[in-house]
Amino acid sequence: SQTIHQWPATLVQPVGSPLSLECTVEGTSNPNLYWYRQAAGRGLQLLFYSVGIGQISSEVPQNLSASRPQDRQFILSSKKLLLSDSGFYLCAWSAGSQKLFFGSGTQLSVL
Amino acid sequence: DQQVKQNSPSLSVQEGRISILNCDYTNSMFDYFLWYKKYPAEGPTFLISISSIKDKNEDGRFTVFLNKSAKHLSLHIVPSQPGDSAVYFCAASKGNSGGYQKVTFGTGTKLQVIP
Repeated sequence: SQTIHQWPATLVQPVGSPLSLECTVEGTSNPNLYWYRQAAGRGLQLLFYSVGIGQISSEVPQNLSASRPQDRQFILSSKKLLLSDSGFYLCAWSAGSQKLFFGSGTQLSVL
Repeated sequence: DQQVKQNSPSLSVQEGRISILNCDYTNSMFDYFLWYKKYPAEGPTFLISISSIKDKNEDGRFTVFLNKSAKHLSLHIVPSQPGDSAVYFCAASKGNSGGYQKVTFGTGTKLQVIP
């Protein structure tokens, strides 16, 4: 069966520090991978998606970047965090359908 | 531009009664709709979906209704149980475009089922 792992579960970082969140998927090949963010009181906003290794598309301009160094690995990064980067970050995968499978999320607090 | 709207941020229902969660969308190109359930500090989990060629889909206690002319869908939970207490996200998609499916989510409705 397919599983998705996302870590860490919580993270507190100072403004201006770097960020690296990692997500891995098991039990499937060539998944579509996604990074979503849920800010306080808001819905799930799509940040990045990837349909293959090295292929990254950004939905909104922002202070973040994403990379997909391996088929089932998706990384969300920032060189310098802003206060506005705080939120609940979710990695997800799909296998060619609209049904997304989400990881457990990372609660990021930038202070 | 919020293309998927859930205008009720919260809803309280007595155990055993019906819960009705509503969702409106503005993009007439959406052709597939989903509901996700989210517990605190966890990722959303898929609950039920419906294609635009249908107006109803049922799965156990959960039924989703779609009214395309009104651009409205609703999720009915009957009977409601305390374990149903969670945030429910409505989502919509324009379907497959080159292997990528963009799914647009609403802001969520927090359901509390009171024992």
